[in-house]
Amino acid sequence: QVQVVESGGGVVQPGGSLRLSCAASGFTFSNYGMHWVRQAPGKGLEWVAFLRYDGTNEFYLDSVKGRFTVSRDNSKNILYLQMNSLRLEDTAVYSCAKEHSGYYYFDSWGQGTLVIVST
Amino acid sequence: QSALTQPASVSGSPGQSVTISCTGTSSTVADYIYFSWYQQHPGKAPKVMIYDVNKRPSGVSNRFSGSKSGNTASLTISGLQAEDEADYYCCSYGGSSSYVVFGGGTHLTVL
Repeated sequence: QVQVVESGGGVVQPGGSLRLSCAASGFTFSNYGMHWVRQAPGKGLEWVAFLRYDGTNEFYLDSVKGRFTVSRDNSKNILYLQMNSLRLEDTAVYSCAKEHSGYYYFDSWGQGTLVIVST
Repeated sequence: QSALTQPASVSGSPGQSVTISCTGTSSTVADYIYFSWYQQHPGKAPKVMIYDVNKRPSGVSNRFSGSKSGNTASLTISGLQAEDEADYYCCSYGGSSSYVVFGGGTHLTVL
């Protein structure tokens, strides 16, 4: 069955960096656009980034532009999120989500990985 | 601040119907048809309930329905059941503020 599993979260100081990974299985990863969505503790969902199935088009939340970079390795079925210059307000559970083919919605989500930015 | 505004909470008794609204600027809700709704139980991943304003994915109960009028999209849950108690988020692609934007979320309490 379709599965996406995130990893790479942890505790980092402000200004630090982390790279998150999202391992996909159960579907042809190279055919689907993928998103990162985050949820701060006790808060709502916030979309972070999108990468087209072939890696040719990417979009970001304004507050992470220039700091975060989304990429993918279709040969390994992995989506990445490189996060630099982390801020306290980036603290959240980061989840990857698969876009439904031909439609604009997320049909599969992972459980997420927790990123804590703290002094 | 989200470009899509939802009520923080709604409630209803079992068997009743509730409607959750999602109001945005004219450049979001009114102009874009790629509108979806997600249900999230505590500690769980979100689940799509409605996409393209009013379409239900397979496996989602027909008690869930969606609509849009002007700059407001709505999710209606009929025949409320205890398991419907959850957080609900509207979501839109496009708009002037972001490629994708979520509403702030609405907590549904089944009394």
